[in-house]
Amino acid sequence: TQLLEQSPQFLSIQEGENLTVYCNSSSVFSSLQWYRQEPGEGPVLLVTVVTGGEVKKLKRLTFQFGDARKDSSLHITAAQPGDTGLYLCAGLNNFNKFYFGSGTKLNVKP
Amino acid sequence: DAMVIQNPRYQVTQFGKPVTLSCSQTLNHNVMYWYQQKSSQAPKLLFHYYDKDFNNEADTPDNFQSRRPNTSFCFLDIRSPGLGDAAMYLCATSRDPGREQYFGPGTRLTVT
Repeated sequence: TQLLEQSPQFLSIQEGENLTVYCNSSSVFSSLQWYRQEPGEGPVLLVTVVTGGEVKKLKRLTFQFGDARKDSSLHITAAQPGDTGLYLCAGLNNFNKFYFGSGTKLNVKP
Repeated sequence: DAMVIQNPRYQVTQFGKPVTLSCSQTLNHNVMYWYQQKSSQAPKLLFHYYDKDFNNEADTPDNFQSRRPNTSFCFLDIRSPGLGDAAMYLCATSRDPGREQYFGPGTRLTVT
């Protein structure tokens, strides 16, 4: 089993603060995806990172794939209440199978 | 416009009473997945179809079955729901295996 561990599990911050969410594994992944899921809805794909060391930016969100393609981070600058949700990472192995992380539940208070 | 549609959004069934959840897609993707997600946990893959080929996960109980009558539709059948089967059921599609997955809004199943 290729486990993806996310940290922290829960995060409650004030609007305007910065935060980083981590997704770690001992396994190598072909690519890694980040999703945001709001209560009662399905996950929405935010980004896919493929190359070791790759950095992608999506407005206030910065995603990085580790050099060894075993880990990833999501950094949010100046968090807003609309960023509230469950953040999930999902790694793709060489057999085209996705493994989801345990998720980080983010609450941004106004 | 919704690309992956799940019906119903909320389903209540009785213990042991068969229930069917449906998923349809307008993306013409080759792969359709069914996930079970409990209480803000990670989605757990139950099975997927690649075209007409059914791929079951090793730890998916026999109580869960699936049908894909055509490219657009896929069904999840729970033959005898138990209380532990109460969860959010998510359908997802991808163009091909390993490509980005697009999720539907999910069906929240309650078992009474």
